[in-house]
Amino acid sequence: GENVEQHPSTLSVQEGDSAVIKCTYSDSASNYFPWYKQELGKGPQLIIDIRSNVGEKKDQRIAVTLNKTAKHFSLHITETQPEDSAVYFCAASLFTGGGNKLTFGTGTQLKVEL
Amino acid sequence: KAGVTQTPRYLIKTRGQQVTLSCSPISGHRSVSWYQQTPGQGLQFLFEYFSETQRNKGNFPGRFSGRQFSNSRSEMNVSTLELGDSALYLCASSLDRVVQETQYFGPGTRLLVL
Repeated sequence: GENVEQHPSTLSVQEGDSAVIKCTYSDSASNYFPWYKQELGKGPQLIIDIRSNVGEKKDQRIAVTLNKTAKHFSLHITETQPEDSAVYFCAASLFTGGGNKLTFGTGTQLKVEL
Repeated sequence: KAGVTQTPRYLIKTRGQQVTLSCSPISGHRSVSWYQQTPGQGLQFLFEYFSETQRNKGNFPGRFSGRQFSNSRSEMNVSTLELGDSALYLCASSLDRVVQETQYFGPGTRLLVL
């Protein structure tokens, strides 16, 4: 089955700096890669996702890049703010129209310091 | 639109008991997935339901079961509870069209087994 590795497990940055979180996946057939943000006491919230036919996607301060050959994808947050502090999870899945099972990475605790 | 709702939010049970958790998906969403989140194992896929049928299943024992009703609401049941079943149980829903695989999570039900 699919296996997703995520690094780093913790990341501390100064407000205004950029943060990068990296994930690798094992199943070359995976075609959907979402990123979720989870705040304390809440469920994961989708922040951005990318499909395998796209190499990069950007939404304001957040961007995701995908390298299918190397089987890795990354989350980039620019101009970080204190409210970006949370746990971030990457995930991978093979969506065939017949179901969607997400395999998650182990999470990155991001702390944005003032 | 209202988001995914889960009830109850918190639950305390003792070993050997059984528990039923409920999930109401976003209106119009037909697929419901369940995940278990623990500090040690992270986010793990339990099962997915679509049109009242289990479509995908994770690697959990048969004590974990679920069902989906005609209105897409879903329940999951855990029988003969063990201490290790203490976790945050998350429900996620998706539209499940061919090009729509995004899963939206609820706030979760936190289960404590004593």
